Amino acid sequence: GDSVTQMEGPVTLSEEAFLTINCTYTATGYPSLFWYVQYPGEGLQLLLKATKADDKGSNKGFEATYRKETTSFHLEKGSVQVSDSAVYFCAWASTGGGNKLTFGTGTQLKVEL
Amino acid sequence: DTAVSQTPKYLVTQMGNDKSIKCEQNLGHDTMYWYKQDSKKFLKIMFSYNNKELIINETVPNRFSPKSPDKAHLNLHINSLELGDSAVYFCASSRGQGAVETQYFGPGTRLLVL
Repeated sequence: GDSVTQMEGPVTLSEEAFLTINCTYTATGYPSLFWYVQYPGEGLQLLLKATKADDKGSNKGFEATYRKETTSFHLEKGSVQVSDSAVYFCAWASTGGGNKLTFGTGTQLKVEL
Repeated sequence: DTAVSQTPKYLVTQMGNDKSIKCEQNLGHDTMYWYKQDSKKFLKIMFSYNNKELIINETVPNRFSPKSPDKAHLNLHINSLELGDSAVYFCASSRGQGAVETQYFGPGTRLLVL
């Protein structure tokens, strides 16, 4: 069925390390893809999105590229900061689905000094 | 200033009670949603409304009843609360129903059923 698979956390990195959080999706048609971030005790915020194949979303140093051939939308950042510690959710929404977001299970990131 | 607001922020109640959670957005959006986040942080959509009309109704027990008095408000009423209803409930809104539309989330309501 339709789903999103994310790498399990927690992921613990040192400050300035390179980050990759893998995300693959199973969906019919041509979904839009999103990364949302949830800081402790807060709601979700959009981090970036891509709405068609080969689009790259970017924000705050984070990037993800919509790869239709591998049905992936991996999140990357070249140099993480302590303030990036949060839970990251990959999600997709399909056309004609009423903009229902299907989320992955979330990946907790901890960045240490 | 707040884009999507929810009240209350915390709700502790006994099994069997009825409670409501309110959501308001001041973004002028047409579409609003309710999501449930369980203790493992898994998020799942419950309902969505577009311009006060129910669009998405996932397999949610009928003890949960959403109400949209106008397009800026979407409330969630829960009857006969059960232990398994303990979760964080998030309201969200978007400009429209298109898959490209960004959803803006409220801060969440943390419900604990004892």
